[in-house]
Amino acid sequence: GQQVMQIPQYQHVQEGEDFTTYCNSSTTLSNIQWYKQRPGGHPVFLIQLVKSGEVKKQKRLTFQFGEAKKNSSLHITATQTTDVGTYFCAMSLGYQKVTFGTGTKLQVIP
Amino acid sequence: NAGVTQTPKFRVLKTGQSMTLLCAQDMNHEYMYWYRQDPGMGLRLIHYSVGEGTTAKGEVPDGYNVSRLKKQNFLLGLESAAPSQTSVYFCASRPPGLGETQYFGPGTRLLVL
Repeated sequence: GQQVMQIPQYQHVQEGEDFTTYCNSSTTLSNIQWYKQRPGGHPVFLIQLVKSGEVKKQKRLTFQFGEAKKNSSLHITATQTTDVGTYFCAMSLGYQKVTFGTGTKLQVIP
Repeated sequence: NAGVTQTPKFRVLKTGQSMTLLCAQDMNHEYMYWYRQDPGMGLRLIHYSVGEGTTAKGEVPDGYNVSRLKKQNFLLGLESAAPSQTSVYFCASRPPGLGETQYFGPGTRLLVL
């Protein structure tokens, strides 16, 4: 079955440093979504990527979909304490289900 | 709109007890999901439903049952709780179609002693 590897599992950064999390699939994807979960909260949708090589930006966040549509990354420039949380990628399994990556927990040290 | 709501927020059970978790959504979504979240394991799909009266197994269905008698409600039952079912349970809903956004409820924290 489709497997989703997300690395790293944890990341501690100083405030102002950059952060990147990577998501890799064993198969070609139709799309990929990214979610953020604040501590004690629930996952919240951030963005969806569909096209090969697609790059989307949301303020300090840059999302990229690989050319082969097997991997994706989320990069945060100049992290802030508000970026703390766990970031998940999610991949469609057909039209009815998605599978989530294991998540990357980001801690920002002020 | 309340979005997706879950009841209860927190519960402690003894091994062997039963309980039902309720998920309700007011967005008229066809698809609903139950996930469990454990440290280091992300979100794992327990059961899901693609419409009223339908249910299907997910990745980790053992020990759980579900029902979708009304479109807006999705119930998750534990017939005989085990300590391995200690987890945070999230419900989600979304419209049908490829790549549609999932909307999550606030979660239920369950502790089984």
